[in-house]
Amino acid sequence: EIVMTQSPATLSVSPGERATLSCRASQSVSSNLAWYQQKPGQAPRLLIYGASTRATGIPARFNGSGSGTDFTLTISGLQSEDFAVYYCQQLNNWLRSFGQGTKLQIK
Amino acid sequence: EVQLVQSGAEVKKPGATVKISCKVSGYTFSDYYMHWVQQAPGKGLEWMGLVDPEDGKSIYAERFQGRVTITADTSIDTAYMEVSSLRSDDTAVYYCATEGTLVGISIDYYSALDVWGQGTTVTVSS
Repeated sequence: EIVMTQSPATLSVSPGERATLSCRASQSVSSNLAWYQQKPGQAPRLLIYGASTRATGIPARFNGSGSGTDFTLTISGLQSEDFAVYYCQQLNNWLRSFGQGTKLQIK
Repeated sequence: EVQLVQSGAEVKKPGATVKISCKVSGYTFSDYYMHWVQQAPGKGLEWMGLVDPEDGKSIYAERFQGRVTITADTSIDTAYMEVSSLRSDDTAVYYCATEGTLVGISIDYYSALDVWGQGTTVTVSS
């Protein structure tokens, strides 16, 4: 099983600033990596797939990068609605594991 | 519009079995894998397993192997997730999600869970 590790667990950033979230895989997942956003009481929402492609309707301030084992989600110009929990997931292996999540909170 | 509609909340006693459904509309059910994801209270997402509706084959995370059964009924476009021998730590919200095939920047193809159900709360309590 591929273990996905996200850091930090909690990130405090001011509105308008940039947030950088990391995700590391225990072995290469190529570019088969997705990012999701989850707000309290809601189902997760797909943000990024293929490590760097924004899903339909996702604003351009969300950017994904990386390949192999190290990935980054960058959110520029943070808006109030961006404060949420973010998860990465690898889809390179049949056992599609998630990271433990990063909570992005207002500083 | 693509939609996944899950069955309602359940309250079960320890040792019982629960079966949750996920009704699909807006696409051909057998074309895409269906996943199930567990989220315990205050915790993160945990991938449980998936089913290929086309042939009914399922794959499970090691933690859920043996106690969880994921199935699909293509005649009614519905996926199911059953947990047996329920324990208190099975108390969670369970989501179904479709694995779509999406076009990348370089006209390549990637998978991701692009459509999610609304979630079903299962409470295990004596």
